[in-house]
Amino acid sequence: QQPVQSPQAVILREGEDAVINCSSSKALYSVHWYRQKHGEAPVFLMILLKGGEQKGHEKISASFNEKKQQSSLYLTASQLSYSGTYFCGTEKGNTPLVFGKGTRLSVIA
Amino acid sequence: DTEVTQTPKHLVMGMTNKKSLKCEQHMGHRAMYWYKQKAKKPPELMFVYSYEKLSINESVPSRFSPECPNSSLLNLHLHALQPEDSALYLCASSQGVRVGDEPQHFGDGTRLSIL
Repeated sequence: QQPVQSPQAVILREGEDAVINCSSSKALYSVHWYRQKHGEAPVFLMILLKGGEQKGHEKISASFNEKKQQSSLYLTASQLSYSGTYFCGTEKGNTPLVFGKGTRLSVIA
Repeated sequence: DTEVTQTPKHLVMGMTNKKSLKCEQHMGHRAMYWYKQKAKKPPELMFVYSYEKLSINESVPSRFSPECPNSSLLNLHLHALQPEDSALYLCASSQGVRVGDEPQHFGDGTRLSIL
């Protein structure tokens, strides 16, 4: 079942922060986050396993609340290079990833 | 540059043609994947190979035929495709087969157009 991402799109000025949410109606084992720039391959950002841990990647971090079956991606002090479409992918325990519809992030100067 | 190499980058073919897409990785990954991605949509899983054996087929039409000749190489054979099959075809690989724990590394894709 496809996870639900919000917002669908967001426009930021450089230096602003953003939060992208990913939720599922099913219990999750893990949540993956990927970023895809226009015309390029999706690039892995991080995986969060159930346990509620928070991970970070440069100024991008994420949390996973398994009870609420949701994950959030936090982008701090956004840079132009953060522009792209962010996908969360969820799986329920060694099942194929199902990606959300994506959140299109545009960072402007 | 990505560590998963896909060829060709672009392919235009007629509905009666037979062509193949190729994917190669030299990271020692034991799981390889084919995804289909339409414009402004997320990647949709088509096939998963685990240790060179087909482990998942997401009810893909038989006009798409995957093949894994060895642990580094994955092919997708195309025959009698329809215009709605036009899309970006992405290959990915991951270290093992427990998909939940491991990142997937994507190739740049083959942009396929069916005339």
